[in-house]
Amino acid sequence: DAGITQSPRYKITETGRQVTLMCHQTWSHSYMFWYRQDLGHGLRLIYYSAAADITDKGEVPDGYVVSRSKTENFPLTLESATRSQTSVYFCASSDGGANTEAFFGQGTRLTVV
Amino acid sequence: AQKVTQAQTEISVVEKEDVTLDCVYETRDTTYYLFWYKQPPSGELVFLIRRNSFDEQNEISGRYSWNFQKSTSSFNFTITASQVVDSAVYFCALSEADRDDKIIFGKGTRLHILP
Repeated sequence: DAGITQSPRYKITETGRQVTLMCHQTWSHSYMFWYRQDLGHGLRLIYYSAAADITDKGEVPDGYVVSRSKTENFPLTLESATRSQTSVYFCASSDGGANTEAFFGQGTRLTVV
Repeated sequence: AQKVTQAQTEISVVEKEDVTLDCVYETRDTTYYLFWYKQPPSGELVFLIRRNSFDEQNEISGRYSWNFQKSTSSFNFTITASQVVDSAVYFCALSEADRDDKIIFGKGTRLHILP
């Protein structure tokens, strides 16, 4: 099915562990984004990618790593999870960057214990 | 600096009432884009509208309408004859034309439509 999918939908991990959140889109959109959503903060940009092999930091990149070897995939890795990274993570894609309509995945609820 | 303020944290109205969600923005750019997204209980954000800074015409789409006023830096969203399915969190957002990465979201307004 066409769209943008995130996996897993729910994840519980322990402090210090590495965890990877997956994002896959089928539209061949150039741009992909990772946001985190926290109460009181709304959505904040972690990383974005303008094309395959091009990534850049957003507002809150510390503790996260991304890669984009293929246009359709944009995984987000927490290198050593901390409790402050407990959040809902959203992946999004768009054809023209932040100035155009974005399509969001259903989110991954991550709990770090 | 960019900023989006949604002063209404939570609103409850009875079904069939009209409701307006406020959005006030700040930017130094003359060319920018404003958005509204809906986040239903299922979680994913759904695009509703995009408006560029040069187009101050109000927009109507079914029961939804948007009022863009540059003079007051506002981009308000009205739902007419609200329905229970309109219950969601609504986000207003701003991006500047010279940046392809940065969209600033407001903190959202949670809307409850009571049957």
